[in-house]
Amino acid sequence: NAGVTQTPKFQVLKTGQSMTLQCAQDMNHEYMSWYRQDPGMGLRLIHYSVGAGITDQGEVPNGYNVSRSTTEDFPLRLLSAAPSQTSVYFCASSYLQRGGQYNEQFFGPGTRLTVL
Amino acid sequence: RKEVEQDPGPFNVPEGATVAFNCTYSNSASQSFFWYRQDCRKEPKLLMSVYSSGNEDGRFTAQLNRASQYISLLIRDSKLSDSATYLCVVTLLLYSGAGSYQLTFGKGTKLSVIP
Repeated sequence: NAGVTQTPKFQVLKTGQSMTLQCAQDMNHEYMSWYRQDPGMGLRLIHYSVGAGITDQGEVPNGYNVSRSTTEDFPLRLLSAAPSQTSVYFCASSYLQRGGQYNEQFFGPGTRLTVL
Repeated sequence: RKEVEQDPGPFNVPEGATVAFNCTYSNSASQSFFWYRQDCRKEPKLLMSVYSSGNEDGRFTAQLNRASQYISLLIRDSKLSDSATYLCVVTLLLYSGAGSYQLTFGKGTKLSVIP
């Protein structure tokens, strides 16, 4: 199993450009999520999904869109990049929590994005 | 008060030392507690869960005090390979039917183990 994969690893954008960060997992996990990590900050949830066709906003959703057409893929789209979106982006997946039992989240290797 | 607070460190300790990290959380309805480890420029990985009764995994011991809303991680006999940032993670179940839950990460505590 490849686990959680993310592409690209690095990206430089100019202000106003749009792009899509790709995330895929091959563990048949229902739950997928996107986080951003900034220096001196904890990981902050952007968007998440509990299954194909179902997405919801996290703590910092503005400026980002997501879709979940398949169980495997959960792309994150930056609509009009801004310097404030310079960050490291992590995708994560897990089985759904059932019966109060938390399931470990597996993270992808991250995408380092710089917006000039 | 921030939701999950950790001492950012850095903690610089010699090999073989014992080091303890603390974490406090503000939401008393939080359900599950974890320590994740993040190596430099890498993704976070689960280190261990934290149970009310306390739990141990080799050189690592985790404790939870729900009354004080406090979590701890103790590392005994530190190794060079323990150098990393340790993230305190707290979960809150949002919708039990959909299995949707919120994870809140602390900012992390950086540990450097020195030869």
